[in-house]
Amino acid sequence: GEDVEQSLFLSVREGDSSVINCTYTDSSSTYLYWYKQEPGAGLQLLTYIFSNMDMKQDQRLTVLLNKKDKHLSLRIADTQTGDSAIYFCAEIYNQGGKLIFGQGTELSVKP
Amino acid sequence: DTAVSQTPKYLVTQMGNDKSIKCEQNLGHDTMYWYKQDSKKFLKIMFSYNNKELIINETVPNRFSPKSPDKAHLNLHINSLELGDSAVYFCASSQAGKGYEQYFGPGTRLTVT
Repeated sequence: GEDVEQSLFLSVREGDSSVINCTYTDSSSTYLYWYKQEPGAGLQLLTYIFSNMDMKQDQRLTVLLNKKDKHLSLRIADTQTGDSAIYFCAEIYNQGGKLIFGQGTELSVKP
Repeated sequence: DTAVSQTPKYLVTQMGNDKSIKCEQNLGHDTMYWYKQDSKKFLKIMFSYNNKELIINETVPNRFSPKSPDKAHLNLHINSLELGDSAVYFCASSQAGKGYEQYFGPGTRLTVT
């Protein structure tokens, strides 16, 4: 089935690390994605990971993939107030490029 | 140098009306999509087109009809608008074979009164 789940809220202090978690169901997904949505804006592709990778790092972002447990996480180092947004995890479901999104995790960064 | 653009950004209309939302991408991508985001921020795909051919058509009422005049444009026409159609509609595009990275437009907020 098609199901991607995330916790709805995360609150951290500025300068701390944030970890946003996601679980998915389709083990055949070749790519998994993280998108960021700021208030009133569209979705910005942050990063993605190929399913045969365990980890991908891009500046302050680290993506970890546990394919056995179908668990994906996004770690943001040195979280800033500008990182406050909703973060969506998504998986590719089939060859048509259909993205299945999680509910989104609202990250609140307190100064 | 906007990558994926949508018009209009806001659309307020009455029940029963017919409206269209336009989308254009200048990324040279061959696939375009429409997604709907409801009031709880949940995102769900509606349609996708590859080189002007419909390849994904989720369970969407017949009142919604996508049209792709060329691979850079994908428009969404909605007939007989209902209150439940109120949402933010996002257009996206991607290039097959490149990780299906989808780039989203800024969204069109549709309010049906």
